[in-house]
Amino acid sequence: KAGVTQTPRYLIKTRGQQVTLSCSPISGHRSVSWYQQTPGQGLQFLFEYFSETQRNKGNFPGRFSGRQFSNSRSEMNVSTLELGDSALYLCASSSVGTENTGELFFGEGSRLTVL
Amino acid sequence: AQRVTQPEKLLSVFKGAPVELKCNYSYSGSPELFWYVQYSRQRLQLLLRHISRESIKGFTADLNKGETSFHLKKPFAQEEDSAMYYCALSYYNTDKLIFGTGTRLQVFP
Repeated sequence: KAGVTQTPRYLIKTRGQQVTLSCSPISGHRSVSWYQQTPGQGLQFLFEYFSETQRNKGNFPGRFSGRQFSNSRSEMNVSTLELGDSALYLCASSSVGTENTGELFFGEGSRLTVL
Repeated sequence: AQRVTQPEKLLSVFKGAPVELKCNYSYSGSPELFWYVQYSRQRLQLLLRHISRESIKGFTADLNKGETSFHLKKPFAQEEDSAMYYCALSYYNTDKLIFGTGTRLQVFP
């Protein structure tokens, strides 16, 4: 099976712009979650989606949003970018509902730099 | 509040030495705990989870509810164990994981 695929891998934006990141989960996985990784804060949970519904949301401002499509692919959007949004954004998928709950399969990440 | 604490940022040992990476947690419910590992230039991946009570690559971790700990142990470290290790807590059996800040393990030859 192909792994979790994230696009783009790298991007540079300026303050005030917006960005959309995409994630294709492992085939058959219906749960997708997003994490922000920074040197200062480590790995922080952003959102979790299952069957196109947001199940959990982390403590991030409303500028951070996401969605999931019927084919389980997911996107996240960050509007009005700030310098502090520079980070590696990781997407993970899982086969929720089986004994594998909690085993997340991570993508390589999208590295966002805000100038 | 739910929290995972890994007190050591860096742990350096020589090959063949025992290793213990510490993890403490605070959680109001019944915890589901995991260790994730990231080797150089690889993706973050699951190493082991407490419910399976298994040994992976020689690593074991025991959940101690009294001490709210889930330390990762290996009796004899290998150079290929050098990586970043993250302890994580599953939020009420969802895919919302609360991660610790990670411990970098360096195993010298």
